[in-house]
Amino acid sequence: GAVVSQHPSWVICKSGTSVKIECRSLDFQATTMFWYRQFPKQSLMLMATSNEGSKATYEQGVEKDKFLINHASLTLSTLTVTSAHPEDSSFYICSAPTNQNTEAFFGQGTRLTVV
Amino acid sequence: GEDVEQSLFLSVREGDSSVINCTYTDSSSTYLYWYKQEPGAGLQLLTYIFSNMDMKQDQRLTVLLNKKDKHLSLRIADTQTGDSAIYFCAEMAGGYQKVTFGIGTKLQVIP
Repeated sequence: GAVVSQHPSWVICKSGTSVKIECRSLDFQATTMFWYRQFPKQSLMLMATSNEGSKATYEQGVEKDKFLINHASLTLSTLTVTSAHPEDSSFYICSAPTNQNTEAFFGQGTRLTVV
Repeated sequence: GEDVEQSLFLSVREGDSSVINCTYTDSSSTYLYWYKQEPGAGLQLLTYIFSNMDMKQDQRLTVLLNKKDKHLSLRIADTQTGDSAIYFCAEMAGGYQKVTFGIGTKLQVIP
């Protein structure tokens, strides 16, 4: 089946630094990818929709200047958390739907800890 | 907008059946999903059902969909300790590709 690879699986960074998370579709092309964030003991909340070749669409309340999304190719989307703060510590997960739109495959997730 | 609700917690004894319930509001939902998340891990797709189906069975898993009531359930037969996890109900609305998740039901299996 389709596979989405997310890297890194976990990262620890210092406050004020930036962290880049990659999401790759390994055996299919994804013109659209989604980025979710999961707070502790809460569900996954959609942050933004990444569109290949155009600007990302952000959900209400998500700071686009803080969470930079780049969808440079049909198989890669990146999320960069800029000037990270401890409150940005969370589990970030990406997904890519197949062309048939029957299923959204998820990456393994990235646990970000900002110290 | 879309809204998916599910209970927070379910406890069952090993060997019993587990039933996790979910309700959703978007009548244009095309696919409904059940994902499993084990501690510290990502999401694992367990099964999904197309909105024009009433039931889908896959080994120990049975999904029932009542489209009229917008109610989805996941039944796990012969629940094992390895089934302990958080189970997310999710929907994908028609014409869109983003998935809306419920808050997740934590299933605890008692040996």
